[in-house]
Amino acid sequence: KNEVEQSPQNLTAQEGEFITINCSYSVGISALHWLQQHPGGGIVSLFMLSSGKKKHGRLIATINIQEKHSSLHITASHPRDSAVYICAVAGTASKLTFGTGTRLQVTL
Amino acid sequence: ETGVTQSPTHLIKTRGQQVTLRCSSQSGHNTVSWYQQALGQGPQFIFQYYREEENGRGNFPPRFSGLQFPNYSSELNVNALELDDSALYLCASSLSGRTKNIQYFGAGTRLSVL
Repeated sequence: KNEVEQSPQNLTAQEGEFITINCSYSVGISALHWLQQHPGGGIVSLFMLSSGKKKHGRLIATINIQEKHSSLHITASHPRDSAVYICAVAGTASKLTFGTGTRLQVTL
Repeated sequence: ETGVTQSPTHLIKTRGQQVTLRCSSQSGHNTVSWYQQALGQGPQFIFQYYREEENGRGNFPPRFSGLQFPNYSSELNVNALELDDSALYLCASSLSGRTKNIQYFGAGTRLSVL
């Protein structure tokens, strides 16, 4: 079992839909990151959170430390949101442990 | 644009060869982490350099080695390349070795080993 599990693996949505991507982890963490990876490989950091909720534009990230679970929400989805969304957790060591990503395709 | 640049963007090597990948960190950042991302997988931590010293290593063999220079740029060296080394190699810079700090990723170097 991977230390970081994401669901769903693949997601197709129509423009305007509300999207939720989930991340569960099995280890103690100091912080959780949500990252976005576009075709071609470049990764952009969307959020880093250790408790509660953060919002940036149409993106919202929440974390429940007791349940070891985080969600990334996208409101009013748009085709430009199409990308792979990756959850990564920061433990006590210096490394990030990544999930395998959720591939999102938003169609017109 | 994160300010983290990697070179080259693409590279083709044959099995047994050696390769050097380069990463320039964002201005002011003293920590560089390297990751390997195989096709369809999440990135895997290779190692991290903080102020020119290795500061943590993942489950990679010794033929994966690195350097960090006084200007905090970094190199990843892979000796005796194997077919399974084909992957996207990502570097990320951050302000210190603490993982809570946001890491800024480069666009990656795609390595193909034939």
